[in-house]
Amino acid sequence: DTAVSQTPKYLVTQMGNDKSIKCEQNLGHDTMYWYKQDSKKFLKIMFSYNNKELIINETVPNRFSPKSPDKAHLNLHINSLELGDSAVYFCASSSGRREQYFGPGTRLTVT
Amino acid sequence: AQSVSQHNHHVILSEAASLELGCNYSYGGTVNLFWYVQYPGQHLQLLLKYFSGDPLVKGIKGFEAEFIKSKFSFNLRKPSVQWSDTAEYFCAVNAGASGTYKYIFGTGTRLKVLA
Repeated sequence: DTAVSQTPKYLVTQMGNDKSIKCEQNLGHDTMYWYKQDSKKFLKIMFSYNNKELIINETVPNRFSPKSPDKAHLNLHINSLELGDSAVYFCASSSGRREQYFGPGTRLTVT
Repeated sequence: AQSVSQHNHHVILSEAASLELGCNYSYGGTVNLFWYVQYPGQHLQLLLKYFSGDPLVKGIKGFEAEFIKSKFSFNLRKPSVQWSDTAEYFCAVNAGASGTYKYIFGTGTRLKVLA
């Protein structure tokens, strides 16, 4: 069974569109995260949610909004996509301060 | 501000060579320390972790890391690398007081092992 899953795996879209990426974890973890990894492999944390409350909100554009319907899901919605949003987005989860488990990633390409 | 530094951005080794990747962090309180590996085209996976106890921790695939508190370091080592170790390696720290802790990742080290 997949511990952290993301859909879709690939997403190709045009500038200006709105898109969502879904993430689900079946590990019973209390904290979930979204990361952006650029072409140089730099990993930048975007958001984290603990028990449905946003506890870290890094300086990302407000076009990005996390939505957590329940403890097992943390979706990422992106409005008005821009070329610079092209990257691989990883979802992760953890139990408190313990290690994070990462999803397979979503490669977003904005044309 | 808390930060994690990985000194080597690119490392190229021949098979059977020994590996040491540096990682330093800046935080004076309690930390949990991690090394993650990302194989080409894949997601990050945990290599090893340190929470407390023996500062020399062993992970998967023959990797180990040593926590030296006085140096704020958590270097990754492997005595003999294999071609299959070619990957990106990330050091990470969980730092801060309970309720306000945060994860910080280093910028990564790209390891290429030549067959």
